[in-house]
Amino acid sequence: AQSVAQPEDQVNVAEGNPLTVKCTYSVSGNPYLFWYVQYPNRGLQFLLKYITGDNLVKGSYGFEAEFNKSQTSFHLKKPSALVSDSALYFCAVRDSGGSYIPTFGRGTSLIVHP
Amino acid sequence: KAGVTQTPRYLIKTRGQQVTLSCSPISGHRSVSWYQQTPGQGLQFLFEYFSETQRNKGNFPGRFSGRQFSNSRSEMNVSTLELGDSALYLCASSSAGEGYNEQFFGPGTRLTVL
Repeated sequence: AQSVAQPEDQVNVAEGNPLTVKCTYSVSGNPYLFWYVQYPNRGLQFLLKYITGDNLVKGSYGFEAEFNKSQTSFHLKKPSALVSDSALYFCAVRDSGGSYIPTFGRGTSLIVHP
Repeated sequence: KAGVTQTPRYLIKTRGQQVTLSCSPISGHRSVSWYQQTPGQGLQFLFEYFSETQRNKGNFPGRFSGRQFSNSRSEMNVSTLELGDSALYLCASSSAGEGYNEQFFGPGTRLTVL
C-alpha cells in the first residue's frame, strides 16, 4: 500500500521569506513523487517530480523539492515567496512497483502575506 | 498544445437524476483518470482508462462509471445522484500512462446535487 501525508493544513509565510511545504510518504518499493498546485476554481497544475537520480529536483516557478529516502520525505521549497504563490499544494506518490495510480495528500494551503 | 478540457464546467442536478461529464485529454495522451475532489475527503481516485480499457478503479459504488473512446476522449457517468455526490470532478491525462509520468489536469466540472 502507498500513502502520503501533508502534516500541515496551512502554512503562512511573509513575502520574500523562504517557504517549505512538508510531505512524507510510505511505499513498498521505490517512490515516484510529485508536487501539484491548485489555484481557486482550477484544476491541479504539475510543479515537479522525483523519479530517480539527484535528490534535489527543480521545477516550475522557482520551486524545488528535496527527496530524502531515510526520512521518507519530499518537502517543497522556494527561497523567496511571492503573494502569487498563495494556493493549495498537493503532494502525490506512486509506488514504482505497484499501481499506476497516485495517492494524493490532503493538500496544504499556502498563504503568502504581503 | 491545447490543455485538458472538461465540459460542462458547472452542473446542477437533483437527487435521483443521472449526469454525464466529458473530458478531452491533451492530444497524444492515451491515459485518462478521473478524480472526485471534496473539502472533506480531498482528492479521491475514481478510475483510469488507457487505450479504451479501464485499467484501474477506485473505491466508488457502481453508480459511477466511465468509458474512453478511440480518440482518447473520456466520459464519466453518475446515475441516481445523491447529495453527497456534490463535488469538483477532475479529469487528468498523461502521455504513456506509466507511473513516472506526471498528470495534466483539466479545470474540473463543479457538480451540485440538490
